[in-house]
Amino acid sequence: NAGVMQNPRHLVRRRGQEARLRCSPMKGHSHVYWYRQLPEEGLKFMVYLQKENIIDESGMPKERFSAEFPKEGPSILRIQQVVRGDSAAYFCASASISGRAVYNEQFFGPGTRLTVL
Amino acid sequence: AQTVTQSQPEMSVQEAETVTLSCTYDTSESDYYLFWYKQPPSRQMILVIRQEAYKQQNATENRFSVNFQKAAKSFSLKISDSQLGDAAMYFCAYRRGQGGSEKLVFGKGTKLTVNP
Repeated sequence: NAGVMQNPRHLVRRRGQEARLRCSPMKGHSHVYWYRQLPEEGLKFMVYLQKENIIDESGMPKERFSAEFPKEGPSILRIQQVVRGDSAAYFCASASISGRAVYNEQFFGPGTRLTVL
Repeated sequence: AQTVTQSQPEMSVQEAETVTLSCTYDTSESDYYLFWYKQPPSRQMILVIRQEAYKQQNATENRFSVNFQKAAKSFSLKISDSQLGDAAMYFCAYRRGQGGSEKLVFGKGTKLTVNP
């Protein structure tokens, strides 16, 4: 069973360009979380999605950032008009959440390191 | 809002010795989970150990154990018989109990160096 996959692993963009980060959850998982890790910091929650729905976007910057998790295909985190401050590692995690389960572990992908020149 | 604080930016330990990493948290919830994650230079997040708040017994996983003090909101990680492969960033994390978005709240991390 393949783990959580993220691509690309490294992404370089110039200021003003768009960045698209992809996350394929583990097989059978329908819940995806995105986290951002700035240099020398811990991971910070950005957004939580289920298939075709955004459940919690309380950590997403109000402008330039968007996320989706379509019925088919990977989850996408999109950053428009990138700035140098967007340089960070972006991690996604997936989970299979059951109403009966007491605990639903999040499995992390390897991350995408975004560098904005 | 919940917060997680790791007061030790860096720690070091001699190989085969024991080290304890500190973590405190703040929450008004009664049902929650606490975690320690390891992040080696590869940046992959690896779950080390998990503690359910309703359990009084401290969790253990081989050489890793926690000291969970619920009243003090303290959750420290003890690594026994430290090995070179334990060198990494260690993050303490909090998650509310079942229900809601179940997002993880992380501390800023402790960089652990293991000296041969």
